[in-house]
Amino acid sequence: GQNIDQPTEMTATEGAIVQINCTYQTSGFNGLFWYQQHAGEAPTFLSYNVLDGLEEKGRFSSFLSRSKGYSYLLLKELQMKDSASYLCAPRGQTGGFKTIFGAGTRLFVKA
Amino acid sequence: EPEVTQTPSHQVTQMGQEVILRCVPISNHLYFYWYRQILGQKVEFLVSFYNNEISEKSEIFDDQFSVERPDGSNFTLKIRSTKLEDSAMYFCASTPSGAVDTQYFGPGTRLTVL
Repeated sequence: GQNIDQPTEMTATEGAIVQINCTYQTSGFNGLFWYQQHAGEAPTFLSYNVLDGLEEKGRFSSFLSRSKGYSYLLLKELQMKDSASYLCAPRGQTGGFKTIFGAGTRLFVKA
Repeated sequence: EPEVTQTPSHQVTQMGQEVILRCVPISNHLYFYWYRQILGQKVEFLVSFYNNEISEKSEIFDDQFSVERPDGSNFTLKIRSTKLEDSAMYFCASTPSGAVDTQYFGPGTRLTVL
């Protein structure tokens, strides 16, 4: 079966750092996406981890541990525009490499 | 930068009517997907498409749904007889060559079934 767990909501202050955790169980695993989604809009690609370890891209970093079924997204120097939902999404190995999405973590950035 | 496009942005239809949602994936991409998101819920996988055939489909993708790539650029999702519960945002996505590539989403079509 498929199971993806991430916190429902988080609140952080502008300029701070926040870490959004995700644990997953999937029947086949190829890699893990993190997407940002503002209300009423499409998901926007942030990162895709295939190998274990940390990948950094500007203010955003993503970590993957395949053996633990665990990933996190780290956002630094938070800005008000970072208020959005963050979607953890493992990708399968077969059948067109479909992506299964978690319910998302709604992040509120306050001044 | 190339992007996935979708038309229309909003479609309103009566229950029982057929609708066709259109997508133009990024050129030279090989894998295509449809996802849907009911208001307030998570994004759900519907179907993946590669080499002119369906690779995988979810339980949601029943006989009322079909996909087609009628030419070299368009990728369509048809719902034969819409139900109220089909009201959702429908996202098209594409990937260059599969497993290790980024998946890009289109802006979505908001389908409202009355």
